[in-house]
Amino acid sequence: ETGVTQSPTHLIKTRGQQVTLRCSSQSGHNTVSWYQQALGQGPQFIFQYYREEENGRGNFPPRFSGLQFPNYSSELNVNALELDDSALYLCASSTEPLAGGETQYFGPGTRLLVL
Amino acid sequence: AQSVTQLGSHVSVSEGALVLLRCNYSSSVPPYLFWYVQYPNQGLQLLLKYTTGATLVKGINGFEAEFKKSETSFHLTKPSAHMSDAAEYFCAVTYTGANSKLTFGKGITLSVRP
Repeated sequence: ETGVTQSPTHLIKTRGQQVTLRCSSQSGHNTVSWYQQALGQGPQFIFQYYREEENGRGNFPPRFSGLQFPNYSSELNVNALELDDSALYLCASSTEPLAGGETQYFGPGTRLLVL
Repeated sequence: AQSVTQLGSHVSVSEGALVLLRCNYSSSVPPYLFWYVQYPNQGLQLLLKYTTGATLVKGINGFEAEFKKSETSFHLTKPSAHMSDAAEYFCAVTYTGANSKLTFGKGITLSVRP
């Protein structure tokens, strides 16, 4: 069984640029959630995609957007990068978000540095 | 709104000693509670979770946690620390209707002394 994978592992961008991060969900999972983990902090929920539709969003501006594809893989796009966007971006996959207790399985993350 | 408080940012124990990592939550509805571990330069790995039923939950690597509703706590324990337990530990909460959105605490770094 293949786990959650993310690419790239590391990325360096400059302020104002745009970035796309990618995530492949675990086999059998149709839900992908994205989290931002700043240095020394716990992960913060960005948004979730379920069956290719956004299914909940955290307190992040619209320049954070995403997609989910028919094979349930997902992309996180961030426009107009700011220095504070430097963080570890984690993707997590799970089964249908019905009961609320579903386990989210995390990928290794993409570390983004904005200069 | 949900929240998680993890008291103290760093805990240091000797190898073989008891590990106790504290987690208190705030939720207006019955919570689902999770503990995740993060090793350096890695993602998060689930240690254990509480949804319903037995309040004492056993997880991987000898860890366990007890859900105490009256104390709004979900503390993580391990009877005997091992050097390989050194990592960052996160407590998280969600609930039915939250679409499994996890709210995390700030994390606790566990150091294990030889």
